[in-house]
Amino acid sequence: QQQVKQSPQSLIVQKGGISIINCAYENTAFDYFPWYQQFPGKGPALLIAIRPDVSEKKEGRFTISFNKSAKQFSLHIMDSQPGDSATYFCAAILGTSYGKLTFGQGTILTVHP
Amino acid sequence: DTEVTQTPKHLVMGMTNKKSLKCEQHMGHRAMYWYKQKAKKPPELMFVYSYEKLSINESVPSRFSPECPNSSLLNLHLHALQPEDSALYLCASSRGGDQPQHFGDGTRLSIL
Repeated sequence: QQQVKQSPQSLIVQKGGISIINCAYENTAFDYFPWYQQFPGKGPALLIAIRPDVSEKKEGRFTISFNKSAKQFSLHIMDSQPGDSATYFCAAILGTSYGKLTFGQGTILTVHP
Repeated sequence: DTEVTQTPKHLVMGMTNKKSLKCEQHMGHRAMYWYKQKAKKPPELMFVYSYEKLSINESVPSRFSPECPNSSLLNLHLHALQPEDSALYLCASSRGGDQPQHFGDGTRLSIL
């Protein structure tokens, strides 16, 4: 029940296209859903995050869509750029457990020029 | 640049060595975390400190020993590690509870 399932494992998009990564969770007690971007040799960097009482959040080219009833959320990257090529992790936080993060398995995004 | 600083960036050690990893944050966060990350996998939680007290130990072997000397510092003491312990060790901090965690760039550890 603590799992977060992420798909696809890898994604190839042309420059200017839309990248979409999906996640699903089981535990309705999760109360915060961040996305992290990780480049090789670096730590995960917080990209954007959403709470379950919000259906959509947009920051620049990045948008999270959240469907509480379906227990699903997704990351959309508009106008994808080669510099967006990285590994993306969705995650869920259980606030009552010292902020314990449960990560999805990750998506390797490659944006071709 | 990240606001969580980890040293060293790289560490190579033998199985009989004792070494320490260090983590520092000056964001006033009261929760600090150690993670282990293997290639092409998500980070795995090892320890959580909340207000300088060990709050979660995810059944980590005793050859890993965490320490939180103050609210800004977190150490991970290593002793008698095994080759399978080679990984990227990440430190993170947060305000705690349902607040996002901010990660350092990690220490790449190789056990010979």
